Amino acid sequence: DGGITQSPKYLFRKEGQNVTLSCEQNLNHDAMYWYRQDPGQGLRLIYYSQIVNDFQKGDIAEGYSVSREKKESFPLTVTSAQKNPTAFYLCASTTGTTRAFFGQGTRLTVV
Amino acid sequence: GESVGLHLPTLSVQEGDNSIINCAYSNSASDYFIWYKQESGKGPQFIIDIRSNMDKRQGQRVTVLLNKTVKHLSLQIAATQPGDSAVYFCAENRVGNDYKLSFGAGTTVTVRA
Repeated sequence: DGGITQSPKYLFRKEGQNVTLSCEQNLNHDAMYWYRQDPGQGLRLIYYSQIVNDFQKGDIAEGYSVSREKKESFPLTVTSAQKNPTAFYLCASTTGTTRAFFGQGTRLTVV
Repeated sequence: GESVGLHLPTLSVQEGDNSIINCAYSNSASDYFIWYKQESGKGPQFIIDIRSNMDKRQGQRVTVLLNKTVKHLSLQIAATQPGDSAVYFCAENRVGNDYKLSFGAGTTVTVRA
């Protein structure tokens, strides 16, 4: 089955630690996205990538980093510079001109 | 700047009634508009889309209307069911060099039995 997979589903981070969230797609989509969702809020764009080895900052990129070394993978690192990282993180992919497919999300909690 | 926004954050609907969810956008260059449904704890799922050269598109129990004059998008759900309870997002996209995909804040729909 084609789809987009995020892992892990739940992640706990100690203050000061960097953590990396995984996002893999086998849809052969060029574009991939990371969004952050806080309780009762909408989707805010963190980073997006239109092609391998290229990515752009979204609206709330501070404290986050990404890489796009392979077409099917777009990992997100939440760094210690992100002061309020507890949130639900969603990854998506598209061909760029059609609807987005979303993963099931990773819930990150700072302990 | 460009933005996509919804008119009301919450909507309570009696089961069996029709629901109308509204969305305003500001970017006249948008080519493509999409509605998504997000159930609690899950990723958003595609409902229906519409191209900027269309005014109306119908799916199964859903209709999307696009008014480019006032930059307004709406999603109509016929005969609302308990399973329609979710958060609904509108999104806009542009065919071209920039694949940035922006979402509105979402409308939470609650269906009353």
